[in-house]
Amino acid sequence: SAVISQKPSRDICQRGTSLTIQCQVDSQVTMMFWYRQQPGQSLTLIATANQGSEATYESGFVIDKFPISRPNLTFSTLTVSNMSPEDSSIYLCSGKETLTSGRTPGQFFGPGTRLTVL
Amino acid sequence: GIQVEQSPPDLILQEGANSTLRCNFSDSVNNLQWFHQNPWGQLINLFYIPSGTKQNGRLSATTVATERYSLLYISSSQTTDSGVYFCAVVPTSGTYKYIFGTGTRLKVLA
Repeated sequence: SAVISQKPSRDICQRGTSLTIQCQVDSQVTMMFWYRQQPGQSLTLIATANQGSEATYESGFVIDKFPISRPNLTFSTLTVSNMSPEDSSIYLCSGKETLTSGRTPGQFFGPGTRLTVL
Repeated sequence: GIQVEQSPPDLILQEGANSTLRCNFSDSVNNLQWFHQNPWGQLINLFYIPSGTKQNGRLSATTVATERYSLLYISSSQTTDSGVYFCAVVPTSGTYKYIFGTGTRLKVLA
């Protein structure tokens, strides 16, 4: 499958600040997603990043808190705004291969960004 | 919405032992994947297996979509197999999004 890189890999932030996470895919993918994984929990989908338009957010997640951009088919950013300690999680970017891409189908993930909010 | 339950939630093995992890889902699915999350948090795609059986080295997986479950077999376990195993499914009912299971936390002892 294609390879995803994320920056930063980890960060420690102060309450009330914002952090932007970058996700870069080494080839074009139709769909990109952002997930959150709270400590000891499974993955929860935050939103689908749509190229050139507003992201599609899941229930419980809003654009003001988690603004997302996707200017092209290989790059996306997630901002965690006005952070509180409850935002401490791993944030993962994901891409989805299609059956016609010639690569292993399904979703693949970046290495994640481990965020701690003090 | 669809429920995706994995069992057991926790598993401790001695190196060299075999194990079976189970993923049950409450509704029909189009896609199913198994992932391994290593201790550093990286999610690694093990199998894309909406139906049938696949093998990759010491790992194999079987999905019986009609009975709404999938199994992941780990043979001759190694300490590097430690981590959390997730199954993720795409429900047939009108969504493209993966829903992740509850996970199985595996620890392999040397």
